[in-house]
Amino acid sequence: AQKITQTQPGMFVQEKEAVTLDCTYDTSDPSYGLFWYKQPSSGEMIFLIYQGSYDQQNATEGRYSLNFQKARKSANLVISASQLGDSAMYFCAMRENNNAGNMLTFGGGTRLMVKP
Amino acid sequence: DSGVTQTPKHLITATGQRVTLRCSPRSGDLSVYWYQQSLDQGLQFLIQYYNGEERAKGNILERFSAQQFPDLHSELNLSSLELGDSALYFCASSVAAGGNSGANVLTFGAGSRLTVL
Repeated sequence: AQKITQTQPGMFVQEKEAVTLDCTYDTSDPSYGLFWYKQPSSGEMIFLIYQGSYDQQNATEGRYSLNFQKARKSANLVISASQLGDSAMYFCAMRENNNAGNMLTFGGGTRLMVKP
Repeated sequence: DSGVTQTPKHLITATGQRVTLRCSPRSGDLSVYWYQQSLDQGLQFLIQYYNGEERAKGNILERFSAQQFPDLHSELNLSSLELGDSALYFCASSVAAGGNSGANVLTFGAGSRLTVL
């Protein structure tokens, strides 16, 4: 089974509007972390936001917030006031505490396109 | 600039050849990870090193090997290259080897794009 599922291969959003990128995950580990990364067309992977499984509040970083619904195993990324520079691929990732290392498992990504 | 340096940025080679990708982690980071990003497989974890020792192994082919040196830089060696090895190879680094903390975020380099012809 897929550990991280991003069901939206591509999305459009109007500049200055908010957009939600979906992510669902599957784990039996009670301790885990959820991450979002942005990959612009230039290729680099940019860390956006982190949510720990025991965190009581949803994470926020500037225009990014994470809508964490633990019972539903979802960790959706909300981008407020979209900008043209937000056009990129967005990846959701999970780190489980029971893995030997610190590696992340990534979803397939969502391509976001911001329309002027 | 993320602080993680990968060389070369682009590499074109032929099937059957061997290449070495190099990574210098961010200052202070002890852990190095290698990921492969291809169109059909997405982002796949290959291998992790922590302070010179292998920590975790993912979907790394036997034709591939890696190591982390005493100065903490890492190299990924790809041999007997096949067309399907064409991909973007990322190195990432983090402070610690494990644990679920927001402080232990993976910082990625810009990647090395390998094209096998």
